[in-house]
Amino acid sequence: AQKVTQAQTEISVVEKEDVTLDCVYETRDTTYYLFWYKQPPSGELVFLIRRNSFDEQNEISGRYSWNFQKSTSSFNFTITASQVVDSAVYFCALPPSGANSKLTFGKGITLSVRP
Amino acid sequence: GAVVSQHPSWVICKSGTSVKIECRSLDFQATTMFWYRQFPKQSLMLMATSNEGSKATYEQGVEKDKFLINHASLTLSTLTVTSAHPEDSSFYICSASHQGNNEQFFGPGTRLTVL
Repeated sequence: AQKVTQAQTEISVVEKEDVTLDCVYETRDTTYYLFWYKQPPSGELVFLIRRNSFDEQNEISGRYSWNFQKSTSSFNFTITASQVVDSAVYFCALPPSGANSKLTFGKGITLSVRP
Repeated sequence: GAVVSQHPSWVICKSGTSVKIECRSLDFQATTMFWYRQFPKQSLMLMATSNEGSKATYEQGVEKDKFLINHASLTLSTLTVTSAHPEDSSFYICSASHQGNNEQFFGPGTRLTVL
């Protein structure tokens, strides 16, 4: 069974601080994808990244970076120099292998960035 | 990128009435669509998976006679909340994927309030 654990529920930082959002997953699949989504107060889910389990290289996109550690089943997300606009709920998600599969979401982490 | 729309974006109805929510894939053919429900400050919970031209598959605990799902074409799925009650008030989000692609594209969500 798929499981995603986001142990942090709420994080509050001051603008320009770096912040890391943790995600630990469980899967029996040998091939899988991992996702991060952002949900701002408007409610719409914003896709951030999809990572294939074969690719363990860290990814950087602007102020965002992701650290995928297969050995510890973790896929952590770091925001560098946080901004107020980063305030949102962040979800880590995992589907089973294969196409057209439902996503299992973590409980989400509410990030508040204070000016 | 793929675009998914939902209509309406919000709806307020009286208890006992039925409400229909539409989910459309605007620029691709969605062989599979998913319906999620999200209560305040909680994660997204999958309600059902629908494949075009066939009956939806409901998650455990979701009443199929209360939440009617129709996926009559490759670009449209509808969710009808029948005989709505205040406890059905929630944020309903759809997502769509096309055959051979593991990624889901999310709609902007519909906020339902039942008085």
